[in-house]
Amino acid sequence: RKEVEQDPGPFNVPEGATVAFNCTYSNSASQSFFWYRQDCRKEPKLLMSVYSSGNEDGRFTAQLNRASQYISLLIRDSKLSDSATYLCVVNANTGNQFYFGTGTSLTVIP
Amino acid sequence: DGGITQSPKYLFRKEGQNVTLSCEQNLNHDAMYWYRQDPGQGLRLIYYSQIVNDFQKGDIAEGYSVSREKKESFPLTVTSAQKNPTAFYLCASSIARGTARYGYTFGSGTRLTVV
Repeated sequence: RKEVEQDPGPFNVPEGATVAFNCTYSNSASQSFFWYRQDCRKEPKLLMSVYSSGNEDGRFTAQLNRASQYISLLIRDSKLSDSATYLCVVNANTGNQFYFGTGTSLTVIP
Repeated sequence: DGGITQSPKYLFRKEGQNVTLSCEQNLNHDAMYWYRQDPGQGLRLIYYSQIVNDFQKGDIAEGYSVSREKKESFPLTVTSAQKNPTAFYLCASSIARGTARYGYTFGSGTRLTVV
């Protein structure tokens, strides 16, 4: 079983739509959770951390469900510039090692 | 500005040749990592180092070697033993040992192609 699993998509949504991605993780001892954004042929960049109580940053909302071992990312009012691959990242319980999902591809259509 | 620098951006390797990818950071991060990304696939860990003069194998270390002689530097050598080295290589660093609260900072990557 993979440490982190994501639906690869692709998700094609119109501008202004709301879209949600889920990611499941296998290690119940994981403590740190993140969403990264990766543009085509570029490095991943930190989008937001995911806190236990859920957190929001503008149009982006991240949530953690420890009981079911998944995290989610909600994007409201999608912009063309949101088109990218979104990576779910979870730490292992051994130091600083992280596990990456394969990414979910989002295309926002005019 | 603090950051993490990878060079070169593009690298072409002949069959049977060793090549070294550079990764330098001035963020004063303790831990550094090398990942490989293949088209349409996730990141796979090659090697990581949490302290100078110490490093650990990741999931796909065969055919690769690293060194960590300085805190700022973590070069990766792709040896001739790596049979399928064409990929996008990403170096990353992180701030804290123990619980990693701040995630990674990535370099801009090196695209290696075997010719």
